[in-house]
Amino acid sequence: DAGITQSPRHKVTETGTPVTLRCHQTENHRYMYWYRQDPGHGLRLIHYSYGVKDTDKGEVSDGYSVSRSKTEDFLLTLESATSSQTSVYFCAISESETDTQYFGPGTRLTVL
Amino acid sequence: AQKVTQAQTEISVVEKEDVTLDCVYETRDTTYYLFWYKQPPSGELVFLIRRNSFDEQNEISGRYSWNFQKSTSSFNFTITASQVVDSAVYFCALSGNYGNNRLAFGKGNQVVVIP
Repeated sequence: DAGITQSPRHKVTETGTPVTLRCHQTENHRYMYWYRQDPGHGLRLIHYSYGVKDTDKGEVSDGYSVSRSKTEDFLLTLESATSSQTSVYFCAISESETDTQYFGPGTRLTVL
Repeated sequence: AQKVTQAQTEISVVEKEDVTLDCVYETRDTTYYLFWYKQPPSGELVFLIRRNSFDEQNEISGRYSWNFQKSTSSFNFTITASQVVDSAVYFCALSGNYGNNRLAFGKGNQVVVIP
């Protein structure tokens, strides 16, 4: 299994509070991704990174920001959480942009 | 834009029956990649297979097999002699070539294997 961890694994927070999710990899892969999974929508890409300090938006990026200061860590921040951001968040990694993406265990976020 | 359609939302089968999951895709890329992932009740996403658009050879891995047909833009997945451990949501996904590598997922097939 690819060495990917996500923290926290579960979080409950209140509307309007900032939240940061962390993805950590031990595979030294260049590409890292954040997805959200919601019933009826499958997985949708939020942001991705193609190197340290290099990031780009996905299809559902509004309300989210990311940062990657080290190869192994990719942070997802909700500046002011809303109830619509209640979801399961998955991090993924890949060696190149066309290679298989391997997923972390997921973080279940509930915004009250 | 890439699009993946998995029409069957939930499929129930009795143990030892075969089950086929349909995946139909749309892309304008001439080179693309198709994937299947499994999500068991525990929630993790497990990679099953990756197929390049230029390789139409079918593949078998144990009780799993995949049928790729470019002519019908389909990449179907069959579980032979299903077992209770096969109960999961299965996702088909598609990514394009350089510059269009975002992985587009279908909405998934919930497979329930009844003992």
